[in-house]
Amino acid sequence: EDKVVQSPLSLVVHEGDTVTLNCSYEVTNFRSLLWYKQEKKAPTFLFMLTSSGIEKKSGRLSSILDKKELFSILNITATQTGDSAVYLCAVAENDYKLSFGAGTTVTVRA
Amino acid sequence: DADVTQTPRNRITKTGKRIMLECSQTKGHDRMYWYRQDPGLGLRLIYYSFDVKDINKGEISDGYSVSRQAQAKFSLSLESAIPNQTALYFCATSDLYGYSYNEQFFGPGTRLTVL
Repeated sequence: EDKVVQSPLSLVVHEGDTVTLNCSYEVTNFRSLLWYKQEKKAPTFLFMLTSSGIEKKSGRLSSILDKKELFSILNITATQTGDSAVYLCAVAENDYKLSFGAGTTVTVRA
Repeated sequence: DADVTQTPRNRITKTGKRIMLECSQTKGHDRMYWYRQDPGLGLRLIYYSFDVKDINKGEISDGYSVSRQAQAKFSLSLESAIPNQTALYFCATSDLYGYSYNEQFFGPGTRLTVL
């Protein structure tokens, strides 16, 4: 059974649009939820969320966690072509193991 | 200079061949990981190591073995490669005591094709 489910699997938007990505999870012991951006090859870290309702922001990207409903969202505002990537969500149940979702592929057209 | 490096970056091999993927890191982290990534399945953990003498199986270790030669080096071997081991392989490291303590740092990946 999937522990981490991301939706949608893919989407195509135009520059300037706002994108909302979803990540739902079901784990026994929740420690943190992480978002990564994967362009071409290596995933790069975006955010780590541990507490409900506290938004984390970095430029045009923001993310929030709901530990009661077991999901997180990643928002990208004023999208640019450089935002085109696969966005991965991962949940940590302890201090070393990450369970990854399948990812959401975002394509931003000029 | 990259903190986590992997060699080779691309490899094509034949069924039954032995192959080794290597990972080196300069981050000084004790923890190292090997993942594989397949389309639609996300990243799945093959093996992980807390230090040179502590190596553990992940969720999909069958058909793979690893060696932790030093704190900075962690190798993944396929003793007898098979076509369903065709995938993108990532090495990663982590620091238990960092601010983002669950953050893992990934290498550039090795694309392996088994014919």
